[in-house]
Amino acid sequence: KNQVEQSPQSLIILEGKNCTLQCNYTVSPFSNLRWYKQDTGRGPVSLTIMTFSENTKSNGRYTATLDADTKQSSLHITASQLSDSASYICVVTRKRFSGTYKYIFGTGTRLKVLA
Amino acid sequence: DAGVTQSPTHLIKTRGQQVTLRCSPKSGHDTVSWYQQALGQGPQFIFQYYEEEERQRGNFPDRFSGHQFPNYSSELNVNALLLGDSALYLCASSFEEAVHEQFFGPGTRLTVL
Repeated sequence: KNQVEQSPQSLIILEGKNCTLQCNYTVSPFSNLRWYKQDTGRGPVSLTIMTFSENTKSNGRYTATLDADTKQSSLHITASQLSDSASYICVVTRKRFSGTYKYIFGTGTRLKVLA
Repeated sequence: DAGVTQSPTHLIKTRGQQVTLRCSPKSGHDTVSWYQQALGQGPQFIFQYYEEEERQRGNFPDRFSGHQFPNYSSELNVNALLLGDSALYLCASSFEEAVHEQFFGPGTRLTVL
């Protein structure tokens, strides 16, 4: 079954600290993996996108890694800020045999950064 | 260059009513997807429109229907509203040849009383 699982479900850290969010998937065939940041009540905003051949991708203080062999990805946030408080969603794109794409969403990790 | 826009921002309806949500894709995009996101959950795919036709559909009942116009904008219609339809409805657009590059709108918060 094509699934995306994220951990932890929620996380609280102090401002300035680092944290790592995990994403495990069983999606096949794999096309790409994307991390989104979603503020409460708002639409998701893309942070990184990685294809099968990419191991790491950075976007400012956000660094995503991908291990296609173990089907795991992580999102590392460095020197967290209060504005990092949001839900972080992992989305894996599956390419169907018909040629169309299907997006498999994780349920997200809710991050709270405290002053 | 305008991003994806949605209207209205918020909406309150009662059970049994019908609702129409609207989405304008990002400039240059021709594919529109709709998602339902319940509180604390990830987005659930409703359907996708391309060339004014429904190309893919998720596990949603026929009460959920849509339309895409020649200018690529789209509408999501929900009939016979249920309390469980209360959610954030997200629209995402992409360009056909880069279907993995989706941009999301801000969403419409629907509350069914």
